[in-house]
Amino acid sequence: SQKIEQNSEALNIQEGKTATLTCNYTNYSPAYLQWYRQDPGRGPVFLLLIRENEKEKRKERLKVTFDTTLKQSLFHITASQPADSATYLCALEGAGTYKYIFGTGTRLKVLA
Amino acid sequence: DTGVSQDPRHKITKRGQNVTFRCDPISEHNRLYWYRQTLGQGPEFLTYFQNEAQLEKSRLLSDRFSAERPKGSFSTLEIQRTEQGDSAMYLCASSLPIRDRRTNTGELFFGEGSRLTVL
Repeated sequence: SQKIEQNSEALNIQEGKTATLTCNYTNYSPAYLQWYRQDPGRGPVFLLLIRENEKEKRKERLKVTFDTTLKQSLFHITASQPADSATYLCALEGAGTYKYIFGTGTRLKVLA
Repeated sequence: DTGVSQDPRHKITKRGQNVTFRCDPISEHNRLYWYRQTLGQGPEFLTYFQNEAQLEKSRLLSDRFSAERPKGSFSTLEIQRTEQGDSAMYLCASSLPIRDRRTNTGELFFGEGSRLTVL
């Protein structure tokens, strides 16, 4: 069955460092992969989309990579700030399905 | 505020009762999604609509769950004969029509959720 895994353990890093979160999937061939941020008690908020034919995408301090051979996406936040503390979710969409399957999420805490 | 709105935000009910949640999507969005989220987990797909048509329903959903989207506008999610295992946050999301995937991210706009507690 399809499975999407993210670091189950919370990730604590020092302010100013680069945070790297992983999203691994099995038995799935997504055409699109999205990353969302979720704060406690709130709905997720879209951050970035990367397509299957794209290796890397950047937006301000965010960088996403997508390796369809490894079946993995990496999400980087450079120069991290305490305000970046949140849960980050990856979501996969199969081509033409418009159905988004979410990973378990990784909680990030940036220490001042 | 013209974002996705959900009602009620919180619902406490006794086991065996029926509950209904409402979602009002962003007006020009044709797709509407329902997800369920429990503590420490990611959103779990329940169902989605394109306009008024329900295109897919999760096999995880029992027959006690039903969703509608009459006239392709707001949607309701009803849970009949609630069980304690139904306690969760129910999230609604909507998205724009996707005419060109080269330019449209297909991002989901989520509401704040409806938290259900079944006693």
